[in-house]
Amino acid sequence: DGGITQSPKYLFRKEGQNVTLSCEQNLNHDAMYWYRQDPGQGLRLIYYSQIVNDFQKGDIAEGYSVSREKKESFPLTVTSAQKNPTAFYLCASSIGSHNEKLFFGSGTQLSVL
Amino acid sequence: GENVEQHPSTLSVQEGDSAVIKCTYSDSASNYFPWYKQELGKRPQLIIDIRSNVGEKKDQRIAVTLNKTAKHFSLHITETQPEDSAVYFCAARDQAGTALIFGKGTTLSVSS
Repeated sequence: DGGITQSPKYLFRKEGQNVTLSCEQNLNHDAMYWYRQDPGQGLRLIYYSQIVNDFQKGDIAEGYSVSREKKESFPLTVTSAQKNPTAFYLCASSIGSHNEKLFFGSGTQLSVL
Repeated sequence: GENVEQHPSTLSVQEGDSAVIKCTYSDSASNYFPWYKQELGKRPQLIIDIRSNVGEKKDQRIAVTLNKTAKHFSLHITETQPEDSAVYFCAARDQAGTALIFGKGTTLSVSS
């Protein structure tokens, strides 16, 4: 499972709490992405980053925040403003910035207590 | 923005049969169409992709066809095996090239 690592595998959030999901890659990829996967809903883009210190909102960015201070790291914070955070979160990276040949992490399952 | 519809949502076949999954997209400017396979409890993995300047691409038992006029593309799996059982996602890259829009997935079950 080398290449792109997500942690933790399972995470529980209490009401009003912010939680941060980690994503690290050692593939020297330029672009990184966060997707949310709900049963029967496919993958929906939350945020993406094409270069360090820059990122853009995807289709469902409300209630989430990200940072890209290092090329290898792209953490996702699920804030208390996200009212329905229970989902499977997938991080991905790609060599270029054009969404080709994405490599995915193994995911984090977030649940609300 | 781009919208991708995927059908069927579930597909059951006998081992050795062929399986076909179809997707339609809305943005005629989309130019890249990948397919990802996600086995139960595992991460999605790219299995094949096609660009808009190509009508068909094959890789062993897997093929993808693209009809730009009709704005649809399909995944064909021949001689299916139990290990082909998984959820398959199609996707289309939006006009700006900044995002992949995924279909909702097809759960393929291959019974022996």
